[in-house]
Amino acid sequence: KNEVEQSPQNLTAQEGEFITINCSYSVGISALHWLQQHPGGGIVSLFMLSSGKKKHGRLIATINIQEKHSSLHITASHPRDSAVYICAVRSDRDDKIIFGKGTRLHILP
Amino acid sequence: GAGVSQSPRYKVTKRGQDVALRCDPISGHVSLYWYRQALGQGPEFLTYFNYEAQQDKSGLPNDRFSAERPEGSISTLTIQRTEQRDSAMYRCASSITPPGSSSYEQYFGPGTRLTVT
Repeated sequence: KNEVEQSPQNLTAQEGEFITINCSYSVGISALHWLQQHPGGGIVSLFMLSSGKKKHGRLIATINIQEKHSSLHITASHPRDSAVYICAVRSDRDDKIIFGKGTRLHILP
Repeated sequence: GAGVSQSPRYKVTKRGQDVALRCDPISGHVSLYWYRQALGQGPEFLTYFNYEAQQDKSGLPNDRFSAERPEGSISTLTIQRTEQRDSAMYRCASSITPPGSSSYEQYFGPGTRLTVT
């Protein structure tokens, strides 16, 4: 079993829909990242969380440390949100970064 | 420049040759990470440094891979006797975190696409 699991693996939705991507992890962490990888390959760090909730524009990220779970939400989705969204955690034991396999999101116009 | 830079952006090399990939982190960033990403796959951790000290190299696939950051800023990832399976995008990222801090943001470079023929 992977230490970081994301669901769903693939998601296709219509423009305007509310999107939720989930990340569960099994290790102790000091922080969790949500990353966005564009079709061209570039990686952008969206959020870094160690507790609670963060919002940036139409993106919201939450984390529940007790349940070892985080969610990334996209409100009013748009075709330009189409990308791979990757959850990554930083182990609190050895500082290693562990990546999930990513969720491929495709928003249809 | 304000961001993380990597060079070269593209490298094509023949099997058996050595390659050196360079990462120039954001000035003042303490931590530097190297990742590898094969086509269609997620990133894979290779190694990371705090200042000039290599903290974890457990992700390096074998002893043909090595990395250094001698002055705590620029880092070089070296692959000796390259093989076709080494072909991938090699990315680095830096973060400002002082050692032991949990508050950080990683900034990724554009990557070096390595093709071994």
